[in-house]
This record gives sequence, C-alpha cells and structure tokens, in this order.
Amino acid sequence: TQLLEQSPQFLSIQEGENLTVYCNSSSVFSSLQWYRQEPGEGPVLLVTVVTGGEVKKLKRLTFQFGDARKDSSLHITAAQPGDTGLYLCAGLNAGGTSYGKLTFGQGTILTVHP
Amino acid sequence: SQTIHQWPATLVQPVGSPLSLECTVEGTSNPNLYWYRQAAGRGLQLLFYSVGIGQISSEVPQNLSASRPQDRQFILSSKKLLLSDSGFYLCAWSVGGGGNQPQHFGDGTRLSIL
Repeated sequence: TQLLEQSPQFLSIQEGENLTVYCNSSSVFSSLQWYRQEPGEGPVLLVTVVTGGEVKKLKRLTFQFGDARKDSSLHITAAQPGDTGLYLCAGLNAGGTSYGKLTFGQGTILTVHP
Repeated sequence: SQTIHQWPATLVQPVGSPLSLECTVEGTSNPNLYWYRQAAGRGLQLLFYSVGIGQISSEVPQNLSASRPQDRQFILSSKKLLLSDSGFYLCAWSVGGGGNQPQHFGDGTRLSIL
C-alpha cells in the first residue's frame, strides 16, 4: 500500500507570510497532483508535476517534485486570505494496471488571517 | 466541456435505511469513475473505481457497494446504513486509459446517519 505523508496538518499564518507544505512517501509515483478544496465542495486541481526535479509556478504558488519522484512541496509566497482552504497532495500510482488511482495525503488546512 | 453532477448535496438517513447516491458525467466517453469518502478536513479515501460499464473494483471492505449501469453513470449504494457510514462522499472522473490524468470532482454529498 502506497502512503503519502502530508505536513503540517494545520497552518495558521498572517497575511503576507510565506509557507511550505510537504508531501513525502517511500514509494515512487508517476506523477504528483496538488488540489485545493473549499468547504462543501470537491477538490479542484491546481497542478500536476510529472518529471523528477520539476518545478511549476502558478502565480504565488511554487510546486516542486522530488528528483526521485517520492516527494513534493508547495510553497506559497506572501499568503493572502483568499489562499485559505484545504490543500491536498495526491500521488498517481505508477504501473500499467493502476487505472489512474490516486493516493491522497491527509491534507493541510491553511488559514490566512488578514 | 466536461461536467460532473452529483446528488443529493445533503442527505439525512436513519440507521438501517437504504442508500443510493448518483453521479453522472457529461461531455466525455469511457471515463474512469471513482467514489471517495472524506473525513472532515482530511484526505480522501478511495472506496470504488470503475474503468467501464459493469466493472467495479472495491478498495476497502465496507457496508457499501457501487454500480455502473451506463458509461457515464456511477451509483453508490447500501442496503442498510450504519452510523459509521456518515461522511462526505465525493465522485470523480478522469480520462480513461491511465496516464498522468487529473481527476475532476463533483461537489460531494454530505451524508448524516441518525
């Protein structure tokens, strides 16, 4: 069974601060996806990283995939109250019979105070 | 464009009653379909996935079952609900055939068992 350890579970910061969320595994994933979820809604995809060492930027958000494709990080610069939400990492299982199954981390609840 | 519809949004059921949650996808053919359960503010646990009509794989033993009577219809059912079945249920789809495809989620059903 593949596991993704996501940390921290909770993050409460002031507007303008920087933060980093981590996802770590002992397993290799074919890709790593990051989602953001608002209360009462389904998760929405932010980014997919595929290549080991890949870095993708989405405005103030920077996503990195580890060289060995076992870990990933999300860094937010100058956080704003609108960034508040649940952030989820999810690893796509490598292998031809995986049928696109995702392994989700436990989630990080981010609260940005004005 | 593709859309996913999940209903009802909220459901309150007594213990021992049956359950039927429905999910339909529009704008795509032969998608992979998934049912997840999510504890409050936490990651998603995969319950069932399907790669085609009548093809259902169960991830965890439980009191629930799933069916796919049509290509873009996925149903989550139970004959007798337990208190432990309470939770937030999410349906998702991805492009069929594997690969590094993201999953697209419905808005979920909040199920409360009394």
